[in-house]
Amino acid sequence: AQTVTQSQPEMSVQEAETVTLSCTYDTSENNYYLFWYKQPPSRQMILVIRQEAYKQQNATENRFSVNFQKAAKSFSLKISDSQLGDTAMYFCAFMKHVHNAGNMLTFGGGTRLMVKP
Amino acid sequence: DSGVTQTPKHLITATGQRVTLRCSPRSGDLSVYWYQQSLDQGLQFLIQYYNGEERAKGNILERFSAQQFPDLHSELNLSSLELGDSALYFCASSEWGQNYGYTFGSGTRLTVV
Repeated sequence: AQTVTQSQPEMSVQEAETVTLSCTYDTSENNYYLFWYKQPPSRQMILVIRQEAYKQQNATENRFSVNFQKAAKSFSLKISDSQLGDTAMYFCAFMKHVHNAGNMLTFGGGTRLMVKP
Repeated sequence: DSGVTQTPKHLITATGQRVTLRCSPRSGDLSVYWYQQSLDQGLQFLIQYYNGEERAKGNILERFSAQQFPDLHSELNLSSLELGDSALYFCASSEWGQNYGYTFGSGTRLTVV
């Protein structure tokens, strides 16, 4: 079974600064996908960024980028130029690459990020 | 609007009662997933259906059951409710086998009193 660990329950950052959220995972799989989801106060789950394990290049989406270290099983999220709207819970998630089966997402416990003006 | 519709948005019921949560997946998605999120916790996988068939089961209690209908909407039935069942229940959908992550609904907040 896969496990996902987010060791930072809460973090804060000043507006316009950069913050990094940590995530580690445990798996024996070689082929898989990693995700960061954002859950603002509205409780909606929003996909922020996705990384394929077989790709060495780190994924980026505008102000969001990841540092994927496959050997270390680490998948951190960097938010640049933080904005007040980035205030939310952030969840790291893991998905096995499995053919002809359910692609279940396994979530970490989340990191609550507060962006301060 | 994510395209995944969950009803009702809020539900308050008493212990021992039974409720049904409904989910309509995004158009074209055949897979439906149910997750439970207790207060300020991560999401726990409950169950997955694909085109009407159960495909994967997680930590779902025996008091809980689900099904997916021919029109692809899904229902999660929770019975003999306990205070600890109070949570946010999410439905998500995806195309079969795709690994781009799910599209989540806005959730049903269940409060058991």
